[in-house]
Amino acid sequence: EPEVTQTPSHQVTQMGQEVILRCVPISNHLYFYWYRQILGQKVEFLVSFYNNEISEKSEIFDDQFSVERPDGSNFTLKIRSTKLEDSAMYFCASSGHGELEAFFGQGTRLTVV
Amino acid sequence: GESVGLHLPTLSVQEGDNSIINCAYSNSASDYFIWYKQESGKGPQFIIDIRSNMDKRQGQRVTVLLNKTVKHLSLQIAATQPGDSAVYFCAENPGTGFQKLVFGTGTRLLVSP
Repeated sequence: EPEVTQTPSHQVTQMGQEVILRCVPISNHLYFYWYRQILGQKVEFLVSFYNNEISEKSEIFDDQFSVERPDGSNFTLKIRSTKLEDSAMYFCASSGHGELEAFFGQGTRLTVV
Repeated sequence: GESVGLHLPTLSVQEGDNSIINCAYSNSASDYFIWYKQESGKGPQFIIDIRSNMDKRQGQRVTVLLNKTVKHLSLQIAATQPGDSAVYFCAENPGTGFQKLVFGTGTRLLVSP
């Protein structure tokens, strides 16, 4: 069964450092998303991406965040200068054309120290 | 993703019982709803979805009911099994045009053998 894969599963970084979280969406999907989940809280939308551009972003997704689809398979989330409050699980998701159901990856746990 | 959820509402049932998990949503413009299951250390896993032009949809052992009048969604799990133990989230698409999901706070389901 096709699935969304994310790497790494766990990333520890020092405050102020840049991190790149990587995702390989399901191959024939066209819509890509990043969500995050701070420990003990609900899953929050960050950004959606379609046709090589951001289609919607939340107020969490400020100038420190960026997304990229550098090739035909990867979808990345970059945080330029991490803050302690960026510590969370980050989930990548994808969905197909005309489909509202989003499939989620296993997540990357980001710990900023 | 762990959802330690110190303040998560919890539903405890015995194996074989039917479970009902409830969710209230706030946006009357939402046109699509999903229930996700999240096990410890994993990403949200799709269970069942429903569009706003329906009030009931059935899957294998699961039923989703939508009451748009009171903006209420429920997930019914028949013959609950220990493997159903997880945190369950409802999510809504607020109808902004792209597939952005707004998640609820989650309910922890504990199934005792």
